[in-house]
Amino acid sequence: ETGVTQTPRHLVMGMTNKKSLKCEQHLGHNAMYWYKQSAKKPLELMFVYSLEERVENNSVPSRFSPECPNSSHLFLHLHTLQPEDSALYLCASSQDDLRGYEQYFGPGTRLTVT
Amino acid sequence: AQKVTQAQTEISVVEKEDVTLDCVYETRDTTYYLFWYKQPPSGELVFLIRRNSFDEQNEISGRYSWNFQKSTSSFNFTITASQVVDSAVYFCALSVLSWGSGGYNKLIFGAGTRLAVHP
Repeated sequence: ETGVTQTPRHLVMGMTNKKSLKCEQHLGHNAMYWYKQSAKKPLELMFVYSLEERVENNSVPSRFSPECPNSSHLFLHLHTLQPEDSALYLCASSQDDLRGYEQYFGPGTRLTVT
Repeated sequence: AQKVTQAQTEISVVEKEDVTLDCVYETRDTTYYLFWYKQPPSGELVFLIRRNSFDEQNEISGRYSWNFQKSTSSFNFTITASQVVDSAVYFCALSVLSWGSGGYNKLIFGAGTRLAVHP
């Protein structure tokens, strides 16, 4: 595997379900990010992790819970979501979180909440 | 305010035409970085270029070229002799230092320009 991978690619869940999105980066980077991309809205940064420490929670509702067990893996745990949470969730990584290094993105998880 | 504006929502061209995608940014920082990303229908954002605020040299990479002008706060992207494979949504982004529970460089994206290249 190369680059940034995300699983699953597609997910349909009910509002009472609990599910997790997984992201893995194979680039040796130290920073990882979660973004939300909804139709007709700009990309929204959700969380930033640097060396497994969370450095940003961009006012994200508590029904989204991130976890970064090591610098290669990032999870987004989902519970009691709302239909408006349906979106493409993108994971990204960068060499570090400072000095404006470019971010490399995974293919995303297309989430539908029913 | 830190902001990126891509005024062109959608552009449609015929193959082999040249096309320019506009990007205007706002920032009060003196050190910042600018990026272009391509998002094909598969969904993954593909990194194209990164410029820092101190390097105003234009760049050319094959059919792609970028024009960075600090005086007008613009970072425009031109595709020469467009091809059907160039059809995608293109995002311009600005990276500035931000402070959450730690300092980090935050990417601020424009709304994107959807480019359709027809045969």
